[in-house]
Amino acid sequence: NAGVTQTPKFQVLKTGQSMTLQCAQDMNHNSMYWYRQDPGMGLRLIYYSASEGTTDKGEVPNGYNVSRLNKREFSLRLESAAPSQTSVYFCASSADRTSYEQYFGPGTRLTVT
Amino acid sequence: GESVGLHLPTLSVQEGDNSIINCAYSNSASDYFIWYKQESGKGPQFIIDIRSNMDKRQGQRVTVLLNKTVKHLSLQIAATQPGDSAVYFCAERLSNDYKLSFGAGTTVTVRA
Repeated sequence: NAGVTQTPKFQVLKTGQSMTLQCAQDMNHNSMYWYRQDPGMGLRLIYYSASEGTTDKGEVPNGYNVSRLNKREFSLRLESAAPSQTSVYFCASSADRTSYEQYFGPGTRLTVT
Repeated sequence: GESVGLHLPTLSVQEGDNSIINCAYSNSASDYFIWYKQESGKGPQFIIDIRSNMDKRQGQRVTVLLNKTVKHLSLQIAATQPGDSAVYFCAERLSNDYKLSFGAGTTVTVRA
C-alpha cells in the first residue's frame, strides 16, 4: 500500500496563475482532508470530504476549491494564486468521519511569487 | 530534558534522557486528543491518542497524560533516541465534530 500520495512535491507559481494539487489514497477510506501548514502555526484545515460526493469548508477555505473525484481522489485547486498561499499543503484521509486517526501524505511545497 | 508548564516551541534533549512535550488545548468539550510526529520533509504520523475519560495512556516508549482541570496534555518519550528528532503536534477533536484542531508544534532536537 502506498497510503496517501500527493503530486506534485514542489511547485512555484506566479501570482494569478492557477493549479491543481492532486491527492489519492489506496486505503479505501471514506473521509479526506486538505490542510495547509505555515511556520509556527501548525496545520489548518482548508476543506474536507466526509464521504464520496460531499465536500465542506474548513477553517481557511478562501481562495481554494476542491473536488472529490471518486472515493480515492481528492483534489485542491487554486484558481488565482496569491503570495499568501505560499505554504506546505498536506492531504490526509481517515476511515470515516468518526475516525480520529488521520493518515497524511508527504506534502506539496508551494511557493507563489 | 523537560519542558514543564508552559508550551515551548523547541526542546533540546540529550540522547538517552526522557523528554516531556507539553500542549495546552483550548476547548473543554474536546473528547479526543492525539499526538502526531512530523519528521523533516514528511507528513505528520500518528503516535498515540487518549480519550477525555482517561488521564493516562501508555504506548511503546511514549506516555500521554491528560489534565482536564487545566486543559493540559503532555507527551513523555522515554530514553530519547536520535530518531525521535521531529516536530510534535497535539490535536484535539470536539465530541460533536470530526475535524481535528492542531497546536503549533514543538520541535525536538536530540543531542548525541
